[in-house]
Amino acid sequence: SQQGEEDPQALSIQEGENATMNCSYKTSINNLQWYRQNSGRGLVHLILIRSNEREKHSGRLRVTLDTSKKSSSLLITASRAADTASYFCATENLYSGGGADGLTFGKGTHLIIQP
Amino acid sequence: EAGVVQSPRYKIIEKKQPVAFWCNPISGHNTLYWYLQNLGQGPELLIRYENEEAVDDSQLPKDRFSAERLKGVDSTLKIQPAELGDSAVYLCASSPQGLETQYFGPGTRLLVL
Repeated sequence: SQQGEEDPQALSIQEGENATMNCSYKTSINNLQWYRQNSGRGLVHLILIRSNEREKHSGRLRVTLDTSKKSSSLLITASRAADTASYFCATENLYSGGGADGLTFGKGTHLIIQP
Repeated sequence: EAGVVQSPRYKIIEKKQPVAFWCNPISGHNTLYWYLQNLGQGPELLIRYENEEAVDDSQLPKDRFSAERLKGVDSTLKIQPAELGDSAVYLCASSPQGLETQYFGPGTRLLVL
């Protein structure tokens, strides 16, 4: 079963603009991760934010986490054509004793960057 | 460093036939996962291995699906018999012990006719 929902389901913007994607989830979590998937390829890890963190940056990526609202956002600044892909949030749920548990993914946001 | 390797990349079979997928994780990664991804959806966990032990197979449909990781390295996922609804991409991922980031293979795209 899917844990969360990404919003919007699809997003089309011009190259150079910023892209914002949102994710909501249902249960308490250890961490939340964002992955990118290019068409027909496997998923690539982008960034991980832990439940006690509120914001994290990595290059052109900025992730926020609000555990009270059970939501996260991914911001991609100065978008490029190569950023065209599907973006998934995934949660590691708070029931394990630590380590690398299976992730629960949302349905994804399909991002299209128009040149 | 080589990534997660999966084979075959594509498989077309008729319903009721058996099918098997193979995964070779990144060297040294203790944890191995199999996910199923339907079109337009996110991946869903089927089974997780810690070395050779299946520590979470609660989402694996055990009437037709089976998996093994005999020596704690390579893994095989089998479906017998396949049904039309099994058409999907089967993803394998691995992670080093104690780390949460998962590294995914390219997946096997299965079409059941």
